[in-house]
Amino acid sequence: EPEVTQTPSHQVTQMGQEVILRCVPISNHLYFYWYRQILGQKVEFLVSFYNNEISEKSEIFDDQFSVERPDGSNFTLKIRSTKLEDSAMYFCASSESGLRGYTFGSGTRLTVV
Amino acid sequence: KQEVTQIPAALSVPEGENLVLNCSFTDSAIYNLQWFRQDPGKGLTSLLLIQSSQREQTSGRLNASLDKSSGRSTLYIAASQPGDSATYLCAVIYSGGGADGLTFGKGTHLIIQP
Repeated sequence: EPEVTQTPSHQVTQMGQEVILRCVPISNHLYFYWYRQILGQKVEFLVSFYNNEISEKSEIFDDQFSVERPDGSNFTLKIRSTKLEDSAMYFCASSESGLRGYTFGSGTRLTVV
Repeated sequence: KQEVTQIPAALSVPEGENLVLNCSFTDSAIYNLQWFRQDPGKGLTSLLLIQSSQREQTSGRLNASLDKSSGRSTLYIAASQPGDSATYLCAVIYSGGGADGLTFGKGTHLIIQP
């Protein structure tokens, strides 16, 4: 069964620092996504990415966030200057299209101190 | 803004019972609906995907139904087992193109007592 792989599984960072979360989507998938889940809250959509550019983004995805596909396999989420409220579980997902559903990675737990 | 609501928020039942988890969505123009399972501190495991043209999907002891016109889906778990204990999430997608994100409910936290 193909998997979406995320690294690291846990990251602790100081407020104001930059973090990069990494994901390897399923190889034949065309759409890539980042979601986050603050403890005890809903899973929330951040951004979708297709054909090397952002397709859609939510109001959460402000100028502090950016995404990149630096090579043929990795998909990254960068938070430029982390805030305490960025502490959450961040999930990467990929999809062939909305028709076929989504496969999620196991998440990166980000703790900002 | 689309909203997805899951009822109940939590459920605890003895092992062996059949149970139903409910999901409702405010905008019936969905493209498909996906049920996920989330274990504590873990990722999301896809259970069932129902396309808007379908009425139900089955996988093992799980059956998910979809009634688009009423904005509802149910997840039926037969002969529940302690290993079914997890949070079950319902999510809808409003476009088949793939650009739009999933809209999630808050989940039903299920405990199956041995």
